[in-house]
Amino acid sequence: ETGVTQTPRHLVMGMTNKKSLKCEQHLGHNAMYWYKQSAKKPLELMFVYNFKEQTENNSVPSRFSPECPNSSHLFLHLHTLQPEDSALYLCASSQDRGQGTGELFFGEGSRLTVL
Amino acid sequence: AQTVTQSQPEMSVQEAETVTLSCTYDTSESDYYLFWYKQPPSRQMILVIRQEAYKQQNATENRFSVNFQKAAKSFSLKISDSQLGDAAMYFCAYWDRNYQLIWGAGTKLIIKP
Repeated sequence: ETGVTQTPRHLVMGMTNKKSLKCEQHLGHNAMYWYKQSAKKPLELMFVYNFKEQTENNSVPSRFSPECPNSSHLFLHLHTLQPEDSALYLCASSQDRGQGTGELFFGEGSRLTVL
Repeated sequence: AQTVTQSQPEMSVQEAETVTLSCTYDTSESDYYLFWYKQPPSRQMILVIRQEAYKQQNATENRFSVNFQKAAKSFSLKISDSQLGDAAMYFCAYWDRNYQLIWGAGTKLIIKP
């Protein structure tokens, strides 16, 4: 296993469903991120965890709930989503939120479609 | 607040030719990093090149080079000898010691065979 792995790669869910996205990194990094990527828009930072502690929540609706049980794993729990939440959700990691050069290592993303 | 602007939503270039992608940013900081990331279709985003603001010399990585104009707050990416595998979305990003990574909206690069 190398790099940052996200599962599932594709997810279709109804507005009343509950699902989770998973991210795992094998880089020994201490910071992990969730981004939302929509077409023709800059990446939107959702959550940041540094050493398993949430350090940022960029006004994300409560229907998105992150979980970081350890520095290698990050989850995004989804419930009662809206069609406008359909997007590519990217997980990323970095050595440390507060040091280094800011370089991020990304997973391939989870394509979410909300019906 | 810092902003990053990529004014070209889409660019196309003939294979083996050279193309330049534009990026401008706004900041009051003096110490920061600038990045170009590449996101191929259905594949993960990867770092292409990084520039440290305090370095006057433009960064280069094989066929990829930047033109960093600090005073003008401009950071363009030049791809020489374009290859089919260069087709991707390219994102410009800014990072400073406030740990804010600010992204541009991206430029879709099309390579014509």
